[in-house]
Amino acid sequence: QKEVEQNSGPLSVPEGAIASLNCTYSDRGSQSFFWYRQYSGKSPELIMFIYSNGDKEDGRFTAQLNKASQYVSLLIRDSQPSDSATYLCAVKEAGGGNKLTFGTGTQLKVEL
Amino acid sequence: EAQVTQNPRYLITVTGKKLTVTCSQNMNHEYMSWYRQDPGLGLRQIYYSMNVEVTDKGDVPEGYKVSRKEKRNFPLILESPSPNQTSLYFCASSFVDSPLHFGNGTRLTVT
Repeated sequence: QKEVEQNSGPLSVPEGAIASLNCTYSDRGSQSFFWYRQYSGKSPELIMFIYSNGDKEDGRFTAQLNKASQYVSLLIRDSQPSDSATYLCAVKEAGGGNKLTFGTGTQLKVEL
Repeated sequence: EAQVTQNPRYLITVTGKKLTVTCSQNMNHEYMSWYRQDPGLGLRQIYYSMNVEVTDKGDVPEGYKVSRKEKRNFPLILESPSPNQTSLYFCASSFVDSPLHFGNGTRLTVT
């Protein structure tokens, strides 16, 4: 059973701080990694994706991937109250069509 | 506007009464998939389709059926719903090897 693990939280950070969200995965053959944001009762929306080891930056968001450690993280700089949501880590298997295996999500709360 | 449209958004039904949740996308995506989301279990794939007339089981297919007669549509059919199928359902689509785009979700309650 391929697994994606996330700390459920809640992770509380003050406004303006850096939020760090972490995810580990079990399948060494995984090739693509995604972060989705989900507000309560809404659909997941794509924040970032990363395929290669290292960092990928997009505005206030940075995704970090370490395939040797089977670890992917999302950093949110200058956190805003509107960033308060559940963040889902998703992993695409090698040769698995386009199937994503999701973690259960980390709830982030950005406090004023 | 590029989107994945699910209907209905909310559905309350009784055990055993057949129902269909529709999903349509206007982005010419080959790949479509259904997920259910339950507290503590996250998003789990029910069925997926790589293209017209090509469907396959995901991780939790029991009690569900799908069809892909047209590229844009991928309905989810519950022939005899049971209370354990009460859940939040999402349809998603994408080009192969591209990120998934999700519909707005269907909250199903089976009593």
